[in-house]
Amino acid sequence: ETGVTQSPTHLIKTRGQQVTLRCSSQSGHNTVSWYQQALGQGPQFIFQYYREEENGRGNFPPRFSGLQFPNYSSELNVNALELDDSALYLCASSLSGQPNQPQHFGDGTRLSIL
Amino acid sequence: KQEVTQIPAALSVPEGENLVLNCSFTDSAIYNLQWFRQDPGKGLTSLLLIQSSQREQTSGRLNASLDKSSGRSTLYIAASQPGDSATYLCAAYPNSGGGADGLTFGKGTHLIIQP
Repeated sequence: ETGVTQSPTHLIKTRGQQVTLRCSSQSGHNTVSWYQQALGQGPQFIFQYYREEENGRGNFPPRFSGLQFPNYSSELNVNALELDDSALYLCASSLSGQPNQPQHFGDGTRLSIL
Repeated sequence: KQEVTQIPAALSVPEGENLVLNCSFTDSAIYNLQWFRQDPGKGLTSLLLIQSSQREQTSGRLNASLDKSSGRSTLYIAASQPGDSATYLCAAYPNSGGGADGLTFGKGTHLIIQP
């Protein structure tokens, strides 16, 4: 069984740039959620994709957007990067978008904004 | 708005001790509560998931309990080992009746087991 994989592992950008982060869900999982974890904090929910549609969103501005593809992999796009966007971005997959299913996390992408 | 608090923020104990990590949440309307482990620079590893209708879950040396009425969950680790050193996070999934709200996490308890 293949777990959740994220790429790249590390990324350095400057303010105002755009970035795309990628996630492959665990085998058999059709739901992907994205979280932002600032240093010393717990992860914060960005949004969730189920069957290629966004079906839930946390308190993040529209410059955070995403996609889910037919193979259930997903992208997180962030435009107009700000210094506060520096964080670990975590992707989690689960089965069928049902809340009673555990979420399985990847190792994340560490994004640094200079 | 759901808030999750974890106490203590950090804990250092000698190997072999039994220990309890605490998690509290402000809104009892949760679907489930999940405990995770995070090693430095890594993602989250799911340890235990307790549905709102359950009182506890066990896996090996780990036991998690849930008391919705008081808004509390505990993670009990028996016979701690140096390999248990990590940050432990609890997260509540809201029972909002529709859509997806995602997990609400606490800030975690940083645990060090001294050899």
